[in-house]
Amino acid sequence: GESVGLHLPTLSVQEGDNSIINCAYSNSASDYFIWYKQESGKGPQFIIDIRSNMDKRQGQRVTVLLNKTVKHLSLQIAATQPGDSAVYFCAETSGAGSYQLTFGKGTKLSVIP
Amino acid sequence: ETGVTQTPRHLVMGMTNKKSLKCEQHLGHNAMYWYKQSAKKPLELMFVYNFKEQTENNSVPSRFSPECPNSSHLFLHLHTLQPEDSALYLCASSQGDRGSYNEQFFGPGTRLTVL
Repeated sequence: GESVGLHLPTLSVQEGDNSIINCAYSNSASDYFIWYKQESGKGPQFIIDIRSNMDKRQGQRVTVLLNKTVKHLSLQIAATQPGDSAVYFCAETSGAGSYQLTFGKGTKLSVIP
Repeated sequence: ETGVTQTPRHLVMGMTNKKSLKCEQHLGHNAMYWYKQSAKKPLELMFVYNFKEQTENNSVPSRFSPECPNSSHLFLHLHTLQPEDSALYLCASSQGDRGSYNEQFFGPGTRLTVL
């Protein structure tokens, strides 16, 4: 079946460096993508989203890039901080009004002080 | 805090027990969701309720029974579970507007262990 997956299960980054977390999706009909952050003992927390009519969107210290040609999504975190240590999930859905979010397995980001 | 609360936070139960998980959202949303999060598996959508009506049931075994008495509360009734049902159960809510992309807000989850 179609799915959303992640290239790397773990990522270690030095504090202050930039982090890049990647995600591949296979459903060409997907038109809305979300990145979630899940800290230990907490539920997933929305970070940033992007619609398929965009290829880049920036938030506070985070940037999401979407490459529809290769069905690839990435999350860039600038000046990574210890508080960024968490598991990051990408999720996708197709069609406005859809309640079905398909999640990737997650990448664990560890920030080295 | 996300505005979505779940109780209990931890639950240990035997296979013959009956228990219920509770979720409450204080965001004025109309859609509520139950997800299962197991180790080594992606988040799995179990049920969706929109305006108190169940709109999705992703082939969930009948030993899981959802209940949505109003738009703010969601329950998951558990009966004769199996050890493989041990997982983190997450509740989420969203605006529920058709025709819009609905960001989902998650609660902290209930860590369930079935002995």
